[in-house]
Amino acid sequence: AQTVTQSQPEMSVQEAETVTLSCTYDTSENNYYLFWYKQPPSRQMILVIRQEAYKQQNATENRFSVNFQKAAKSFSLKISDSQLGDTAMYFCAFQANNAGNMLTFGGGTRLMVKP
Amino acid sequence: DAMVIQNPRYQVTQFGKPVTLSCSQTLNHNVMYWYQQKSSQAPKLLFHYYDKDFNNEADTPDNFQSRRPNTSFCFLDIRSPGLGDAAMYLCATSWATGELFFGEGSRLTVL
Repeated sequence: AQTVTQSQPEMSVQEAETVTLSCTYDTSENNYYLFWYKQPPSRQMILVIRQEAYKQQNATENRFSVNFQKAAKSFSLKISDSQLGDTAMYFCAFQANNAGNMLTFGGGTRLMVKP
Repeated sequence: DAMVIQNPRYQVTQFGKPVTLSCSQTLNHNVMYWYQQKSSQAPKLLFHYYDKDFNNEADTPDNFQSRRPNTSFCFLDIRSPGLGDAAMYLCATSWATGELFFGEGSRLTVL
């Protein structure tokens, strides 16, 4: 079974600054995907970024990038130039290739961007 | 345009009174999921449909049932809601592999 751990229940950052959210996971699988999902207050959960485990290059989506360390089983999310609209719960999630589309979520990190 | 639509967004029910939550999708995805999310916690998978095949998580209470009459619709039935069932219920869809698309959720209050 897989586990996903987010060690920071809450974080805050000043607008325009950079923040990094941590995620570690435990698995015996070799082929898997990792995701960061964003859930704004009272709004739907949306995918922020996705990383395939077989890719060494870290995924990047505009202001969002990851630091994927496969050996260390670490998958952190960096948000650059933070905006007020980035205020949300962020969930790290794991998906094994042989488990269909089942996601294992971390406990979440509540991020507050301050003006 | 919303692709996964949940109704109602807010549902209040009395202890023990059955409730049905609905989910529809315009994506034609073959997999549909129901998650339960309690305050500030991670979503917990209740069950999912792979096409018409129903897959129940081992720890999902019998009080929770689901129906998928066609590709586009999926329902969550809570037969006798208890106070502990108050939560946000999230519907999601996907292809067999890849990203999950979530609805905005239905918040259930049990009085």
